[in-house]
Amino acid sequence: RKEVEQDPGPFNVPEGATVAFNCTYSNSASQSFFWYRQDCRKEPKLLMSVYSSGNEDGRFTAQLNRASQYISLLIRDSKLSDSATYLCVVNMRRGATNKLIFGTGTLLAVQP
Amino acid sequence: SQTIHQWPATLVQPVGSPLSLECTVEGTSNPNLYWYRQAAGRGLQLLFYSVGIGQISSEVPQNLSASRPQDRQFILSSKKLLLSDSGFYLCAWRGLAGNYEQYFGPGTRLTVT
Repeated sequence: RKEVEQDPGPFNVPEGATVAFNCTYSNSASQSFFWYRQDCRKEPKLLMSVYSSGNEDGRFTAQLNRASQYISLLIRDSKLSDSATYLCVVNMRRGATNKLIFGTGTLLAVQP
Repeated sequence: SQTIHQWPATLVQPVGSPLSLECTVEGTSNPNLYWYRQAAGRGLQLLFYSVGIGQISSEVPQNLSASRPQDRQFILSSKKLLLSDSGFYLCAWRGLAGNYEQYFGPGTRLTVT
């Protein structure tokens, strides 16, 4: 089983649509969770951290369900500029070190 | 504010040639530094990380090596490149505060021919 699993997509949605991505992780001891955005042939950029209580940043809402070990990202009122790959990222402690484990990403294509 | 630089942006190298990729961070002290590789259509693979000058931890056995000669400088090297070394190489940093999030440089796209 992969440590972080995502549906690779692609998710093809029209402008203005609401789209949701889910991600599952295997290590129940994980403490920190993130969504990164990666544009084609560019570096990943931090979109938002995910907190236990859920958090919102404009059109983006992230949720964490520790009991089921999954993380979600909801994008409302999709824009063309939201087209990108969204990476689910989990921080895991390995011995004395904390490491980020990246999912392979979910591709979103917003259509005009 | 913090800035991370990588160079070169793209590189085409023949099999068996050496490699040196450089990463520097500005605006922060004593960062944790990381080298990742992203192969085409695949996820990010952690190659090396460093918590301080001269301190390097290797994640995956391979023909690559890393060095940290200065606090904000991280170098990825190879003596002889393989075809399988092709990929997108990303350097990242993390500060001592925060929630373990990492910030990436613009990356180097390496093609080994």
